[in-house]
Amino acid sequence: NAGVTQTPKFQVLKTGQSMTLQCAQDMNHEYMSWYRQDPGMGLRLIHYSVGAGITDQGEVPNGYNVSRSTTEDFPLRLLSAAPSQTSVYFCASSYSGQSLNTEAFFGQGTRLTVV
Amino acid sequence: KNQVEQSPQSLIILEGKNCTLQCNYTVSPFSNLRWYKQDTGRGPVSLTIMTFSENTKSNGRYTATLDADTKQSSLHITASQLSDSASYICVVTILTGGGNKLTFGTGTQLKVEL
Repeated sequence: NAGVTQTPKFQVLKTGQSMTLQCAQDMNHEYMSWYRQDPGMGLRLIHYSVGAGITDQGEVPNGYNVSRSTTEDFPLRLLSAAPSQTSVYFCASSYSGQSLNTEAFFGQGTRLTVV
Repeated sequence: KNQVEQSPQSLIILEGKNCTLQCNYTVSPFSNLRWYKQDTGRGPVSLTIMTFSENTKSNGRYTATLDADTKQSSLHITASQLSDSASYICVVTILTGGGNKLTFGTGTQLKVEL
């Protein structure tokens, strides 16, 4: 039972490079989301999806794109990496984004450094 | 100002001792409150979820309390173990048109020592 799987676990990018952070879940969850975690701050929502084909912006969406072509996958794309995007990124999924007590499951994170 | 404030920022206790972590929130309208445990280098793992009508919930040695009137919550850890060393994050949920919106505290870093 894999749960939420993120790849890669670590990545170093040069400023201006692009890359895709992968996220896959095997629990048939409708709701998936991406967060970033920075020192001294709580996790902040980047983008989220309530189902295949539907995405929306969160609190800090600038510089990131997402797509949701399947229920299982929710990749996060950095179009032109900047040092301000150095962070730890977490993908999360839950059965529903509308049920108050729905459990949210998190991946193990991707630690990204932009130099 | 963060809408979810946690204290203390860090804490060191001896194995076997109890401890209590605090969470104050201003997020409104409140739907539920969650406590997560985050081990170093791992993603957060849910410990408890409480709605506004619940004032206590337990998960093994972890007991969360909630006072929705004062907007305060606490997480009590009983008979601490070395494996309890982690960051404990308080999360307040509101239900919006776009689904559940989670507002995260910055966490309390707990270290349990021999």
